[in-house]
Amino acid sequence: DSGVTQTPKHLITATGQRVTLRCSPRSGDLSVYWYQQSLDQGLQFLIQYYNGEERAKGNILERFSAQQFPDLHSELNLSSLELGDSALYFCASSPQDRGGLVGAGELFFGEGSRLTVL
Amino acid sequence: SQQGEEDPQALSIQEGENATMNCSYKTSINNLQWYRQNSGRGLVHLILIRSNEREKHSGRLRVTLDTSKKSSSLLITASRAADTASYFCATDARGYSTLTFGKGTMLLVSP
Repeated sequence: DSGVTQTPKHLITATGQRVTLRCSPRSGDLSVYWYQQSLDQGLQFLIQYYNGEERAKGNILERFSAQQFPDLHSELNLSSLELGDSALYFCASSPQDRGGLVGAGELFFGEGSRLTVL
Repeated sequence: SQQGEEDPQALSIQEGENATMNCSYKTSINNLQWYRQNSGRGLVHLILIRSNEREKHSGRLRVTLDTSKKSSSLLITASRAADTASYFCATDARGYSTLTFGKGTMLLVSP
């Protein structure tokens, strides 16, 4: 058990809909990362938050948004869903943002939220 | 785009054999990490090697890093059926603190 909690575990919805995925990081971890895993694209970095602020952005679509709340939990909002958004969405946390000079430390991953768009 | 690319895409061996997976990347890095993922589960960190290190060991795992060739290898010795999983290398490009993952090597260890 990594200590990172993601809900829901599974989600089935229709095209055009909006969903919210939730992540609770390990106790004390300030950094939260969101990744999308699909068969064709592999594991893609979406966005990182550190202590409530957006720190880095990856291949995140404009239809997607995220935030990190004062209690450090994070939510990933996916809107106007398309079939291609079907994927496993992972949240990961780490103790701190180590900065570009030191590099990323170990990430602790949740079990993921499997999204199926029909 | 993927920073790291693992090779082979899939590897099938017998219990007791060694498994070697390779990773190549494109840009200068701070660190390289290896993760393991059991089918459909979350990724689990295995080992981190810094750009100024050449080799690192952890239990049955041995990781090497050649920054001149921009490549790394993960060796699992005396494989067990429980090692069956996908293995990913992840790099953080110099100047960044986010990890970019390769597409992984799927390892099957048969009893």
